[in-house]
Amino acid sequence: DGGITQSPKYLFRKEGQNVTLSCEQNLNHDAMYWYRQDPGQGLRLIYYSQIVNDFQKGDIAEGYSVSREKKESFPLTVTSAQKNPTAFYLCAILWGYAGELFFGEGSRLTVL
Amino acid sequence: KQEVTQIPAALSVPEGENLVLNCSFTDSAIYNLQWFRQDPGKGLTSLLLIQSSQREQTSGRLNASLDKSSGRSTLYIAASQPGDSATYLCATGTGRRALTFGSGTRLQVQP
Repeated sequence: DGGITQSPKYLFRKEGQNVTLSCEQNLNHDAMYWYRQDPGQGLRLIYYSQIVNDFQKGDIAEGYSVSREKKESFPLTVTSAQKNPTAFYLCAILWGYAGELFFGEGSRLTVL
Repeated sequence: KQEVTQIPAALSVPEGENLVLNCSFTDSAIYNLQWFRQDPGKGLTSLLLIQSSQREQTSGRLNASLDKSSGRSTLYIAASQPGDSATYLCATGTGRRALTFGSGTRLQVQP
């Protein structure tokens, strides 16, 4: 089964805890992205990576961290420093010269 | 900084109606423009991508147009069906970095 796999689909966290969201792709694409979506709003870029061992901050990187040790994996850690972490998190890959973006199914994080 | 606006925020139409969703952007130096569909609680599904050198793209009952000079794109849905009910988002790319998204138009097609 090919594509972009995000896990877990739902996650609950107590305040003060770090959590890690997984994003895996078997499409052999270099560029991967993490976006955050709040209710009724568009997506905001958290981090992106264009090659292994390299990543760049997006518009709302504070309180988040990422790693890119393997081409197929781009995990996102939501740290305790993120003041309002409850949101829907979406991982995406960039496809082809035209730059078409394809998304995973998302992970919904709720802080209790 | 690029800003993307979608109006209206919500739209309800009877089944069978043709409709137009609007997307405007402030920086015309875009690499591409992409339209997505999002069902509740789901990820985004790519519908159409228009490269900066193109004026429109078509897929089935969907047609997207791009006018860079005026900073506008429209998504035309022909003969709407209840299954078209979803949120539609547009996003512009100004390079290989990432896309800037609008807040979406929530479409409800009444049977």
